[in-house]
Amino acid sequence: KNQVEQSPQSLIILEGKNCTLQCNYTVSPFSNLRWYKQDTGRGPVSLTIMTFSENTKSNGRYTATLDADTKQSSLHITASQLSDSASYICVVSAGGATNKLIFGTGTLLAVQP
Amino acid sequence: EAGVAQSPRYKIIEKRQSVAFWCNPISGHATLYWYQQILGQGPKLLIQFQNNGVVDDSQLPKDRFSAERLKGVDSTLKIQPAKLEDSAVYLCASSRGGSGEQYFGPGTRLTVT
Repeated sequence: KNQVEQSPQSLIILEGKNCTLQCNYTVSPFSNLRWYKQDTGRGPVSLTIMTFSENTKSNGRYTATLDADTKQSSLHITASQLSDSASYICVVSAGGATNKLIFGTGTLLAVQP
Repeated sequence: EAGVAQSPRYKIIEKRQSVAFWCNPISGHATLYWYQQILGQGPKLLIQFQNNGVVDDSQLPKDRFSAERLKGVDSTLKIQPAKLEDSAVYLCASSRGGSGEQYFGPGTRLTVT
């Protein structure tokens, strides 16, 4: 069964601190993995996308890693800001013509001053 | 480039009533998706259109949910009659093709009382 699991479910950190979110997946075939940021009351917005051959992808203070052998990914946020407070969703594409996306349940991050 | 537009943003109805949501995708995007996102969960695909044809509606509760995309552009999603468990955010997304990146709208938050 195609599945994406994320941890932790929620996280509270102080402004300026770093954090790392985890994603484990069992999706086959694998096409790519995306991390989305979803602000409260908004739709998800893509942060990074990685294919099978990519190990690391950065987008500003966000750095995603992918280990295709262990089927694990992480999202590292550096020097957190209050605006980073959001839900972060790991999404794996099963590929094929329909581009079926398998969503994780997300990690809810709260950055406190 | 304008993003995916959805309306209304919020809707409160009583159980057994009907409701309809509207989505206008990004211009030129042939593929349109409707997702249901229950609080604390990742989005679940309800239906995927390629132009005005249905590609995947395997998770659409067809006894109460219906969707159409008559001219291959705008789409409407209808629920009739609504149940309490339909309370969720309904997200619309679009992509250039079936394998392209999906761009999400802000969603419609439905509360069924």
